[in-house]
Amino acid sequence: EAQVTQNPRYLITVTGKKLTVTCSQNMNHEYMSWYRQDPGLGLRQIYYSMNVEVTDKGDVPEGYKVSRKEKRNFPLILESPSPNQTSLYFCASSPIPPGQAGELFFGEGSRLTVL
Amino acid sequence: GDSVTQMEGPVTLSEEAFLTINCTYTATGYPSLFWYVQYPGEGLQLLLKATKADDKGSNKGFEATYRKETTSFHLEKGSVQVSDSAVYFCALKGGSYIPTFGRGTSLIVHP
Repeated sequence: EAQVTQNPRYLITVTGKKLTVTCSQNMNHEYMSWYRQDPGLGLRQIYYSMNVEVTDKGDVPEGYKVSRKEKRNFPLILESPSPNQTSLYFCASSPIPPGQAGELFFGEGSRLTVL
Repeated sequence: GDSVTQMEGPVTLSEEAFLTINCTYTATGYPSLFWYVQYPGEGLQLLLKATKADDKGSNKGFEATYRKETTSFHLEKGSVQVSDSAVYFCALKGGSYIPTFGRGTSLIVHP
């Protein structure tokens, strides 16, 4: 089954304790991205990657890191989480074929609470 | 840069009412346009899309027409159901392949 898998789905942590949210897709997509969703602000892009070893900042990259060592995986790293990073996080992937629309496929989300 | 503007919600309707959620966009070139739906507790999933002017996307009774002259992609459904209660996101994807999303519109349908 084609899917994007995120883990963990729910996490409560404390300020300053490093954490990683994993994302894996099995569709051989080139493009992967992380978003955060907050009430009244919609979806905001954190980082994206067009292919292996190629990553770029989105609209709200501060406090986050990513890596793309393999095509299927795109982990989101919070080196020193703070309460303002409490949010619902989504990973998404998409093919980048020329001449096609390339819809995004989303994971189910990871709800992070930083105390 | 590219941008998407959606009507603010929540939109509250009774079952079987007609639904319109407005979406307008700003983009260079000829973007593809999308509507995504997010049901409670779930991730976003594609509802419908259109890739060129005058195309109509449709799915599950929802429709939207790509209007280049008005730069709009309004979502419509003739008769909503309680199960349509969700958040709806309009989005575009231009030549850069980096999608741009609207802020989302919450729809609440009462029995």
